Amino acid sequence: AQTVTQSQPEMSVQEAETVTLSCTYDTSESNYYLFWYKQPPSRQMILVIRQEAYKQQNATENRFSVNFQKAAKSFSLKISDSQLGDTAMYFCAFMKYNYGGSQGNLIFGKGTKLSVKP
Amino acid sequence: ETGVTQTPRHLVMGMTNKKSLKCEQHLGHNAMYWYKQSAKKPLELMFVYSLEERVENNSVPSRFSPECPNSSHLFLHLHTLQPEDSALYLCASSLTGRELFFGEGSRLTVL
Repeated sequence: AQTVTQSQPEMSVQEAETVTLSCTYDTSESNYYLFWYKQPPSRQMILVIRQEAYKQQNATENRFSVNFQKAAKSFSLKISDSQLGDTAMYFCAFMKYNYGGSQGNLIFGKGTKLSVKP
Repeated sequence: ETGVTQTPRHLVMGMTNKKSLKCEQHLGHNAMYWYKQSAKKPLELMFVYSLEERVENNSVPSRFSPECPNSSHLFLHLHTLQPEDSALYLCASSLTGRELFFGEGSRLTVL
């Protein structure tokens, strides 16, 4: 069974600074996807960034980037130039690749509560 | 506008009531999901409907009953719930192998 661990329940960062959120996972699969989702107080879960395990290049989306270390099963999220609107719960998630075409399960970590302070 | 709409946003019900949560997606996706989000616990997958196949978490009690009449609509029927079922229920949709898009959730309180 796959597990996702986020070891930082809460973090804070000053506006305009950089912060890194940690995520580790455990799986015996070789093909899978990893995601970071953001859930602001409005409750909506929003996709931040996605990484395919077969890609060695780390994904980036504007101020958000990941450090994907497949051998170490580590998938950290770096937020540069933090903004007040980045305040939210951040969830790391794992999805196994399904060769048969049917949809699989997205397994989440417990989340990290990030507060961006002015 | 996310493309995944959930109603109602808030629901309060007694333990003997029967109610339903509704989810609708306008993204042309072929899979829909129900997740339960409780305080201090990871999001828990309850049900998946994909390509007319239903996959469920065997730990979900039978007092939760899903219905997926077509690829755009998903319901979660609730009956004789317990106070511990109070949670945020999130609906999501996706294309096979792609990321999930979530609705804003339905906050359920069971008295």
